[in-house]
Amino acid sequence: DVKVTQSSRYLVKRTGEKVFLECVQDMDHENMFWYRQDPGLGLRLIYFSYDVKMKEKGDIPEGYSVSREKKERFSLILESASTNQTSMYLCASSAQGSFQFFGPGTRLTVL
Amino acid sequence: RKEVEQDPGPFNVPEGATVAFNCTYSNSASQSFFWYRQDCRKEPKLLMSVYSSGNEDGRFTAQLNRASQYISLLIRDSKLSDSATYLCVVNLMDSSYKLIFGSGTRLLVRP
Repeated sequence: DVKVTQSSRYLVKRTGEKVFLECVQDMDHENMFWYRQDPGLGLRLIYFSYDVKMKEKGDIPEGYSVSREKKERFSLILESASTNQTSMYLCASSAQGSFQFFGPGTRLTVL
Repeated sequence: RKEVEQDPGPFNVPEGATVAFNCTYSNSASQSFFWYRQDCRKEPKLLMSVYSSGNEDGRFTAQLNRASQYISLLIRDSKLSDSATYLCVVNLMDSSYKLIFGSGTRLLVRP
């Protein structure tokens, strides 16, 4: 069974903290993605990666960075968390040009 | 104008009803199309791909109209378990590997 896993389901952090969200996929997919989902705004793409050490900005990259040192792992970093980054974060992976498989999501609250 | 637009609903229907959702997309270069289903507080999961000739999977039928740039999802004999948000998704199949998600249409099936 294909799987995308995320390091935490729920996370509470304080303003200014550095936050790491980890995502691992076991499908040998080339592409990996980080989204955030907010009520009424749908899924918005933060960053994506189509190969190891490669990254591309999505629609809302400000305040975030990413790292992809291994094919199966894609990390999202909030350098200095702010309250407006409270959201549901979803990781996904896909083969070339195909549909995406999503992880279970991390609900992040920044106080 | 949003790249992918959906009626947010909710569509409130009785069990056994037939319900249809439409979705319009703005980029005529869009190449592949999908419907995802998202349950409350869960990740999106692929429901079905949408092919040019239309396709059916059990009670679900998806259609594509390239001339008018919309896709549709028809659900027959609705079940309580069909209650969810249905996301329309398009892929440009360019070098960006990105999927563009609609904000979703919420379906409530009542007993």
